[in-house]
Amino acid sequence: GAVVSQHPSRVICKSGTSVKIECRSLDFQATTMFWYRQFPKQSLMLMATSNEGSKATYEQGVEKDKFLINHASLTLSTLTVTSAHPEDSSFYICSAREGTAGDSPLHFGNGTRLTVT
Amino acid sequence: SQQGEEDPQALSIQEGENATMNCSYKTSINNLQWYRQNSGRGLVHLILIRSNEREKHSGRLRVTLDTSKKSSSLLITASRAADTASYFCGTDSSYKLIFGSGTRLLVRP
Repeated sequence: GAVVSQHPSRVICKSGTSVKIECRSLDFQATTMFWYRQFPKQSLMLMATSNEGSKATYEQGVEKDKFLINHASLTLSTLTVTSAHPEDSSFYICSAREGTAGDSPLHFGNGTRLTVT
Repeated sequence: SQQGEEDPQALSIQEGENATMNCSYKTSINNLQWYRQNSGRGLVHLILIRSNEREKHSGRLRVTLDTSKKSSSLLITASRAADTASYFCGTDSSYKLIFGSGTRLLVRP
């Protein structure tokens, strides 16, 4: 089945530094990837839709200058948390849609737990 | 933004019993999908039901969709301890998936 690889799985960084998270579709091409954020015991909040070769579409309330998304190829999207602060500590999960049909399921990475000290 | 609510928020049952989770949403949808999440992991797709479908089965899973009430239910029959996880419904209305609040299911051996 379709596999999405997310790296790193855990990262601890100091306040003020930037962190890059990678999301790769291993055996399929993904024109669209999605980035979610999840707080403990809560639902996934959609942050942005990443489109290959174009700018990401951010959800209301998500700072695009803080959460930089780049989708440079059909198999790789990256999320960079810039100037991280403790309140950015969270579980970040990417997902990718195989194909372009709107009714195809999403394939999720295993998430990245970010801790900002 | 969060699309809707799921209930119950938490459910504890004995192995072998059935588990029913409900999902309500707010806007019109193209399809509704159910996912499972084990603690600290990504989501795994379980089943998709289109807006013109009313019921769908996959193994021990049964999903219903009532678009007039904007609600869906997921039934897991003959539950197993390995079914312990969080379950989320996701609604697809603009080719992006918005998730409900989730149900934490505990199946006691």
